[in-house]
Amino acid sequence: GQNIDQPTEMTATEGAIVQINCTYQTSGFNGLFWYQQHAGEAPTFLSYNVLDGLEEKGRFSSFLSRSKGYSYLLLKELQMKDSASYLCAVRDVNTDKLIFGTGTRLQVFP
Amino acid sequence: SQTIHQWPATLVQPVGSPLSLECTVEGTSNPNLYWYRQAAGRGLQLLFYSVGIGQISSEVPQNLSASRPQDRQFILSSKKLLLSDSGFYLCAWSTLLTGNTEAFFGQGTRLTVV
Repeated sequence: GQNIDQPTEMTATEGAIVQINCTYQTSGFNGLFWYQQHAGEAPTFLSYNVLDGLEEKGRFSSFLSRSKGYSYLLLKELQMKDSASYLCAVRDVNTDKLIFGTGTRLQVFP
Repeated sequence: SQTIHQWPATLVQPVGSPLSLECTVEGTSNPNLYWYRQAAGRGLQLLFYSVGIGQISSEVPQNLSASRPQDRQFILSSKKLLLSDSGFYLCAWSTLLTGNTEAFFGQGTRLTVV
């Protein structure tokens, strides 16, 4: 089975950098995903890592270490609109299922 | 381009009443389909998963069921709703055909059982 852990809540200041960590345990790993979800809305895809290393997309970057079962999402130059929940999800290679962590609620303050 | 439709957007149902939520995908073939539930302030719980017509995997024992009568149609049902069934229900699809494997979500159905 899978077990995915993320911090429940984080706070940061506008313009700052924040790192949201995710650790996972899975019987068969086939990719890690980060989603953003604003309150009351559906999640939207942010990033995908299947190999070790850093993937950069504008202000957002995601890192993966498969040997450590660890990923982080890095948000730079924070804006108020970045206040949202950030969900880490892992795909199981055997079943192709996408399993989500409980999400990290980020609040950005002026 | 691919789109996913989920309806209704909101629903208020009395305890003991039946439920039917529908999800359809356009612009792709043989997608993997998912039903998730999200309680207030919580993460996404996978309820059902389907890799093809009539192939449904149930993740959590409960009074909900799912069906896939057509390739791009996924239905979530209940014969008798419980108060604990309240939540935000999300349908999603994914496919390996595009080379990416991320899941795309419908807009969700907010269900309140009263």
